[in-house]
Amino acid sequence: QSALTQPASVSGSPGQSITISCTGTSSDVGAYNLVSWYQHHPGKVPKLIIHEVSKRPSGVSDRFSGYKTGNTASLTISGLQAEDEADYYCYSYAGISIYVFGTGTKVTVL
Amino acid sequence: QVQLVESGGGVVQADKSLTLSCAASGFTFSNYGMHWVRQTPGKGLEWVSIIWYDGSKKFYADSVKGRFTISRDNSKDTLYLQMNSLRAEDTAVYYCTRETSSKSSDYWGQGTLVTVSS
Repeated sequence: QSALTQPASVSGSPGQSITISCTGTSSDVGAYNLVSWYQHHPGKVPKLIIHEVSKRPSGVSDRFSGYKTGNTASLTISGLQAEDEADYYCYSYAGISIYVFGTGTKVTVL
Repeated sequence: QVQLVESGGGVVQADKSLTLSCAASGFTFSNYGMHWVRQTPGKGLEWVSIIWYDGSKKFYADSVKGRFTISRDNSKDTLYLQMNSLRAEDTAVYYCTRETSSKSSDYWGQGTLVTVSS
C-alpha cells in the first residue's frame, strides 16, 4: 500500500494550463480505471473533481480534465485561476477493497 | 441534502483507545459503502478503512490493521471507528466519506481531530 507519487508542487500563471501527474503501479492505477482526483483548500473539506479517470461530477468546471496512460494518471487544469490554488490528491482503487491516495501536489497560482 | 457529521475526536494518551462516530443524513445510508480517511498535520490524505453497505466486509490500511475497527449501525445511520493502541503517528483529522459506484468519495464530513500525546 505505497502512496501514489505526485510532484510536491506545480505552479502556473493565471490563464495557463498545468498538469499534475500521479504514478502508481500495475496493481492500482494501471489495473483499474478507478482513479479520482480531489481538490483540498486548507481548512476546508476535500472536493471530488474527477472520477473514473476522466469524468467530472456535476457542477465541476470543465477546466479540470483527467486521463491515464499505463500506470500514470494525470490531472490538467486549464485557464488557471486564483481559486485553483489548493492541494490536489489522486486516489486509486487497488483491488480487494483497498485504496490508496497520492502524495499530494500543492498548486500555486503565480 | 447529504450530510456527514463526525464526532468523538480529542486528545488521548498513547496506547489508549478512542471511538469516532459519523452521523449520516440526507441519503439512504444502508445503500452505501463508507470510508474513513485521515490527514496528518502538514501531510497528505491517507485512506484508513472501508465498510461495505451492509457491514459484511471490512478492510483496513496496513498502518491501522489490527488496531482499528470499523463498524456501522444502519438502524442509526451511523458509522464508527474504534481506535485502540493509539500511537503518536495516528494524530490526524479523521474524515468519514461516502463511496460512489466508481470507488470515489463524493461526500465528506467536516472532520474530527484526534491528537495522541506521548
